[in-house]
Amino acid sequence: GAVVSQHPSWVICKSGTSVKIECRSLDFQATTMFWYRQFPKQSLMLMATSNEGSKATYEQGVEKDKFLINHASLTLSTLTVTSAHPEDSSFYICSARDQDFNYGYTFGSGTRLTVV
Amino acid sequence: SQQGEEDPQALSIQEGENATMNCSYKTSINNLQWYRQNSGRGLVHLILIRSNEREKHSGRLRVTLDTSKKSSSLLITASRAADTASYFCATAGRNSGGSNYKLTFGKGTLLTVNP
Repeated sequence: GAVVSQHPSWVICKSGTSVKIECRSLDFQATTMFWYRQFPKQSLMLMATSNEGSKATYEQGVEKDKFLINHASLTLSTLTVTSAHPEDSSFYICSARDQDFNYGYTFGSGTRLTVV
Repeated sequence: SQQGEEDPQALSIQEGENATMNCSYKTSINNLQWYRQNSGRGLVHLILIRSNEREKHSGRLRVTLDTSKKSSSLLITASRAADTASYFCATAGRNSGGSNYKLTFGKGTLLTVNP
C-alpha cells in the first residue's frame, strides 16, 4: 500500500528560528501534496496544496511567506515555518495523492512543533 | 472553513456495542471519506463513499450517504477497546485555485470504547 513518511515527528525550536518539515511518498509518485495544521482536540485545517514543480496554492488566511512550501520532486514536499513564534506551535500533517488517485489520500504521521 | 460537522462530539460506549457517528456537510461533493486518528498520530483512511453511492461496507464498518440531506453516518459494529480514537469525516471538493481536489474535514467525534 501507499506510504507517506513525515519527518521529524516532533521538534522544539526557539522563537525566531525556522523549521523545515519533510513529507515523502515512499512507493508512489505524489503529484499533489497537502499540508494541514491541527490544534489540540480540533480538526485539521488545510493550509495549502502543492503540485510538483509549481507554486503552492494557499488557503485563505494562511501566510505564504510564513509557511514556505516546496514540492521539488514527485516524492518530496517540504514545509518551512519561518521566524517561528509560540503561536505557530501545533501539529502539522501532510497528505499525498497520486495522479490517478490509485491510493486515495495517504497521510503522514504528523509533526508536533513546539516553539519556545 | 470547516464544512463537515460531526455529531456527537464525544461518544463513550462499552465493548461489544455499536457506535454510530454522523456527519453533515454544506456544499456539493465528489465523495465523502471517513478517517480515524489515534491521539497525536496521523490519519488512517477507513472508507470512501462516492456521491452516487448510498451505502458501503468494509469489515465492521458501515457508511451511508444521503446527498439530499447532505449527511453521512459511520457505524462501527461490535466495538473493541482498540477502536478508541477520533473519527473524522472529510469531503472532497475543489481547492481555492480550482485545480485540485482537496479534503475538508469535520470537527470529529472522539470515541471511547470501554473494556
